[in-house]
Amino acid sequence: EPEVTQTPSHQVTQMGQEVILRCVPISNHLYFYWYRQILGQKVEFLVSFYNNEISEKSEIFDDQFSVERPDGSNFTLKIRSTKLEDSAMYFCASSERDTQETQYFGPGTRLLVL
Amino acid sequence: KQEVTQIPAALSVPEGENLVLNCSFTDSAIYNLQWFRQDPGKGLTSLLLIQSSQREQTSGRLNASLDKSSGRSTLYIAASQPGDSATYLCAVSPGRYSGNTPLVFGKGTRLSVIA
Repeated sequence: EPEVTQTPSHQVTQMGQEVILRCVPISNHLYFYWYRQILGQKVEFLVSFYNNEISEKSEIFDDQFSVERPDGSNFTLKIRSTKLEDSAMYFCASSERDTQETQYFGPGTRLLVL
Repeated sequence: KQEVTQIPAALSVPEGENLVLNCSFTDSAIYNLQWFRQDPGKGLTSLLLIQSSQREQTSGRLNASLDKSSGRSTLYIAASQPGDSATYLCAVSPGRYSGNTPLVFGKGTRLSVIA
């Protein structure tokens, strides 16, 4: 069964460093998302992406964040200058079509900022 | 702003029991509602999706209902097993967006099924 994959599974970085989190959505899916979950908190939406551009973004997704689809398979989230409060589990998700469809989530990348 | 609440926060039941998890949302204008399962330190596995025009969906021992007008959904698990132990998340797709809609999540119900 097709699935969303994410790399790395864990990342430890120093405050102020740049990190890139990678995702490979399900191959025939057109809509992509990043969410995050701070330990013990709700899963929160960051950004959605369709047709090579951002569709929606939350107030969390400030200028420190960017997303890119560098080729036909990868979808990346970059954090330019990490802060302690960026420590969280980051989930990528994809759906085949739009709002009526199930969103399928990857296993997540656990980011720890020291 | 859409808010999703799940009650109870945690639940412990003996194996074999039938149980109900509750989810409520503040704005009834939704496209759909999804139930997910999350194992500790893992990703989210989609269990059921109910479109706003539907009343319920079933998959195996799971049955999810939706009462959009009252802002409620329930997830019914029949004949619970220890392998059902996980956190169950409810998420709604708010109707004010077009295109790819962000999901709004509840905090989840942590279920423990005791053998």
